Amino acid sequence: QSVLTQPPSVSGAPGQRVTISCTGSSSNIGAVYDVHWYQQLPGTAPKLLIYGNSNRPSGVPDRFSASKSGTSASLAITGLQAEDEADYYCQSYDSSLSGSLFGGGTKLTVL
Amino acid sequence: QVQLQESGPGLVKPSQTLSLTCTVSGASISSGGYYWSWIRQHPGTGLEWIGYIYYSGGYYNNPSLKSRITISVDTSKNQFSLNLYSVTAADTAVYYCARAETTVPTYWFDPWGQGTLVTVSS
Repeated sequence: QSVLTQPPSVSGAPGQRVTISCTGSSSNIGAVYDVHWYQQLPGTAPKLLIYGNSNRPSGVPDRFSASKSGTSASLAITGLQAEDEADYYCQSYDSSLSGSLFGGGTKLTVL
Repeated sequence: QVQLQESGPGLVKPSQTLSLTCTVSGASISSGGYYWSWIRQHPGTGLEWIGYIYYSGGYYNNPSLKSRITISVDTSKNQFSLNLYSVTAADTAVYYCARAETTVPTYWFDPWGQGTLVTVSS
């Protein structure tokens, strides 16, 4: 089964650094396929945060960074701010699915 | 600035067809270079890719839904549409349309429409 696994929740105090992991398999992250990240603020549509493993679209603060290694990827947020409280999703292509696959999402709570 | 807007009924009866349209502004679907996508989010849960279509009409669907959906494009109206057949309560979700940018074979979605809640209930 094609799955991207994320922790259900993470938390951190303002100013701290948090990371969110995304674990896949050889049919998605572990293959040649890139990982992308989205931020979904409460009551809104998801917004692209990172594309192509580590690229930030224009307007995304450099407090957000991401990387990929093997069958996993991670999103890091430094200098945590209250406005970062949201759900975060990873996404990749899966060759078994022949389409796009999302992680289950991680709820970030800013303490 | 590219914007997408979903439209369609908010309530569909079980066994009927869910039909949604996404209207694109700020870009022309027929210009190519992007895929136009449907994604849904069940209440309180994560995101599920439904499928995407190219301006020429070629499309790819999530195998879990493949037999129940069609995606079509109307370049004259700069719109693309989703039909989901024989719906059940499990199809209740917020449905988003989004533009998919690609470096083959990977796709990412940007921007997204605001989403529309479709409830399946008698």
